[in-house]
Amino acid sequence: EAAVTQSPRNKVAVTGGKVTLSCNQTNNHNNMYWYRQDTGHGLRLIHYSYGAGSTEKGDIPDGYKASRPSQENFSLILELATPSQTSVYFCASGRTASQNTLYFGAGTRLSVL
Amino acid sequence: GDSVTQTEGLVTLTEGLPVMLNCTYQTIYSNPFLFWYVQHLNESPRLLLKSFTDNKRTEHQGFHATLHKSSSSFHLQKSSAQLSDSALYYCALSARNYQLIWGSGTKLIIKP
Repeated sequence: EAAVTQSPRNKVAVTGGKVTLSCNQTNNHNNMYWYRQDTGHGLRLIHYSYGAGSTEKGDIPDGYKASRPSQENFSLILELATPSQTSVYFCASGRTASQNTLYFGAGTRLSVL
Repeated sequence: GDSVTQTEGLVTLTEGLPVMLNCTYQTIYSNPFLFWYVQHLNESPRLLLKSFTDNKRTEHQGFHATLHKSSSSFHLQKSSAQLSDSALYYCALSARNYQLIWGSGTKLIIKP
């Protein structure tokens, strides 16, 4: 079974503070993704990566940065957190192929106060 | 652009009745892959089943779906609902650029 680990699992941040969400995968998958999930909006893609050193903007990248320093690690950075970024964030990994299955981490529940 | 439509946001059924969750898609790509992911409460989404073969039934864990390219549909079905089927179900499409296009999700609640 593919393994994707997210940290922290829960985070409370203050408005204007910096938040870093981390994701590690041991599947040797090329592709990694960051999604947020909000009631009524489903899964929305924030950033993704095709491999170490690459990051691409997803559908809702504003207010977020991403970093892929290695095949295994993919971070999501909120430089100036806002209450509208309160959400559940999921990291996922997958092979580079049209039929690829995505494997999700357990999620990070972020509250920005 | 590519899109996925799940018309029902919430489906409530009684245990033992059949389940059908609707999924239709739009793409100009002739060989799309379609997926169903399931997310139980306080868990992360996981793959339930997938298909790219036209008119072939795909089954997993009691659920089945058939990709119909003629109607651009990939409905999820089960003959008899169980309480444990209560979850959020996402239909997703992978087309030309290998990125997944997600539907908005259908919350399925099974009552005793």
